[in-house]
Amino acid sequence: QVQLVQSGAEVEKPGASVKVSCKASGYMFTYYYVHWVRQAPGQGPEWMGWINPNSGDTYFAQKFQDRVAMTRVTSFSTTYMELSSLRSDDTAVYYCARGFKTSGWDVWGQGTTVTVSS
Amino acid sequence: QSALTQPPSVSGSPGQSVTISCTGTSSDVGSYNRVSWYQQPPGTAPKLIIYEVSHRPSGVPDRFSGSKSGNTASLTISGLRAEDEADYYCNSYTSTSTYVFGTGTKVTVL
Repeated sequence: QVQLVQSGAEVEKPGASVKVSCKASGYMFTYYYVHWVRQAPGQGPEWMGWINPNSGDTYFAQKFQDRVAMTRVTSFSTTYMELSSLRSDDTAVYYCARGFKTSGWDVWGQGTTVTVSS
Repeated sequence: QSALTQPPSVSGSPGQSVTISCTGTSSDVGSYNRVSWYQQPPGTAPKLIIYEVSHRPSGVPDRFSGSKSGNTASLTISGLRAEDEADYYCNSYTSTSTYVFGTGTKVTVL
């Protein structure tokens, strides 16, 4: 079935970087953009950016432009999101999601909890 | 980009209808038919229930419907059921080619 499976929980210190993976299966990996969304505890979701798995092109929310990178390895049907210079307010569940039509994300990963703590 | 404005909570009895509003600006909701809605029970990933303002993905019951007027989008849940209890978020494409979520609404089935 169509699914996105993410890597496991991470605990990082302030100033460090974290890299989360998102493996796609059940569909043509290069046909759909992958977006990344995060959700801090008790808060609503926040869109971070997207990657075009076909071309590798990316686009980010201005808030993250200086410290986020999104990459992909097409042979593994996997996308990666790396966030650097971590702060305590980066503690959140990070989701990857498949772009659907002109708006919406129809398939979501299970989420990866990233905890930033000294 | 400021979050879209939703009521913090709405409630209704089983079988009733509830409507959740999502107010943005002319730079997002008002300019694009690229509004989507998500249902999120506690501890789970969001689930797409409406895309492009009023379209339902396959498998979503027709009790869920969406609309838009001006800068405000709305989600209506008809024939409310206990399983509809969850947080609901709207989302819109924006004039800066980004996406913005709503503040979220908790739906309680009395």
